[in-house]
Amino acid sequence: ETVMTQSPTSMSTSIGERVTLNCKASQSVGINVDWYQQTPGQSPKLLIYGASNRHTGVPDRFTGSGFGRDFTLTISNMEAEDLAVYYCLQYGSIPYTFGAGTKLELK
Amino acid sequence: EVQLVESGGGLVQPGRSLKLSCVASGFTFSNYGMNWIRQAPGKGLEWVAYISSGSSYIYYAETVKGRFTISRDNAKNTLYLQMTSLRSEDTALYYCARRFLNWGQGTLVTVSS
Repeated sequence: ETVMTQSPTSMSTSIGERVTLNCKASQSVGINVDWYQQTPGQSPKLLIYGASNRHTGVPDRFTGSGFGRDFTLTISNMEAEDLAVYYCLQYGSIPYTFGAGTKLELK
Repeated sequence: EVQLVESGGGLVQPGRSLKLSCVASGFTFSNYGMNWIRQAPGKGLEWVAYISSGSSYIYYAETVKGRFTISRDNAKNTLYLQMTSLRSEDTALYYCARRFLNWGQGTLVTVSS
């Protein structure tokens, strides 16, 4: 099983800040990584697919990068609506596995 | 607009069975692989099962293999998850997803005596 380790577990941020979230796979998954955003009481929403492709309608302040084992989600200019939990997912091998999530909070 | 509506959740005793459904609309259901994903209260996401568009390929998480069965009826645009031998650790909000592109709102399964 490919373990996805997200860091940090939580982060205190400020509006307008640049935020970087990390996800490390226990083995190479190529570019088979997605990023999801989940706000309280809502189902997860796809932000980034294939490591670096922004899903339809996702603001361009969200950028994904990485290949192999190391992946990053960057929010270039934090907005209040971005306060949420972010999950990475690998679908390069069965079982598909999610990271434990990174929670973004306000300072 | 893509819509996925799960149903069938509820309170069930340990060892009993439950069948979840997910009705899809707004896309050609028969063209897409589908997933079930669950989220225990206050916890993260766990992939449960996948079925390909024509049901040729089916995969399960080890935690549910042998107890859960994923299936689909393309004529009815409906995805299913038959859950047997339920355990307390199966308590979660169960989401269906079109691949992982679109997710439903989930149906809550509570396993408790």
